[in-house]
Amino acid sequence: GAVVSQHPSWVICKSGTSVKIECRSLDFQATTMFWYRQFPKQSLMLMATSNEGSKATYEQGVEKDKFLINHASLTLSTLTVTSAHPEDSSFYICSASRNTGELFFGEGSRLTVL
Amino acid sequence: GESVGLHLPTLSVQEGDNSIINCAYSNSASDYFIWYKQESGKGPQFIIDIRSNMDKRQGQRVTVLLNKTVKHLSLQIAATQPGDSAVYFCAENSLGSWGKLQFGAGTQVVVTP
Repeated sequence: GAVVSQHPSWVICKSGTSVKIECRSLDFQATTMFWYRQFPKQSLMLMATSNEGSKATYEQGVEKDKFLINHASLTLSTLTVTSAHPEDSSFYICSASRNTGELFFGEGSRLTVL
Repeated sequence: GESVGLHLPTLSVQEGDNSIINCAYSNSASDYFIWYKQESGKGPQFIIDIRSNMDKRQGQRVTVLLNKTVKHLSLQIAATQPGDSAVYFCAENSLGSWGKLQFGAGTQVVVTP
């Protein structure tokens, strides 16, 4: 079964609202998780590195005030898309690393902003 | 900037034939490479990986080849099956930044009967 779970798997929201996506490591602790964004028929692009107990590290061009990341525990990272607009509609995917070094991806969360 | 890219966006393969998916990378600092399979609406699924100190690695029906001289990576799928139809991505991880993957553009593999 899945070792990294995302919730919700899909969400539709109105423009201007905020949406929170959760990423959980189910049977291991992850001090670091990663958030990716994937537009239709495109590749995954790394958005940010989520660090437990400290601030996230954002990739160049990703607005930290737009995409709020909170890694409050060793098994949970959340991505909040604030004041979402249609151009934020995308497939958001997280990954987490077990202490053995194995990387696991979540099943993704599809956001549609109307 | 440096990136990982693919030569072919779509690959049509007859069932039972072998598939070869190619990937070019430009970051000489990359030391770990992974191939992922992604089905529609799902997250990436690990297929096989290879470290930069190797040039070949085999799994079940899959083989990854790494040519560091020309910065080229390939995935070979033997006896392609309908269930292999998906988008395949190569990804690279640079030394010192474990877990931060840079993905290639992806190749859509379509298996025909």
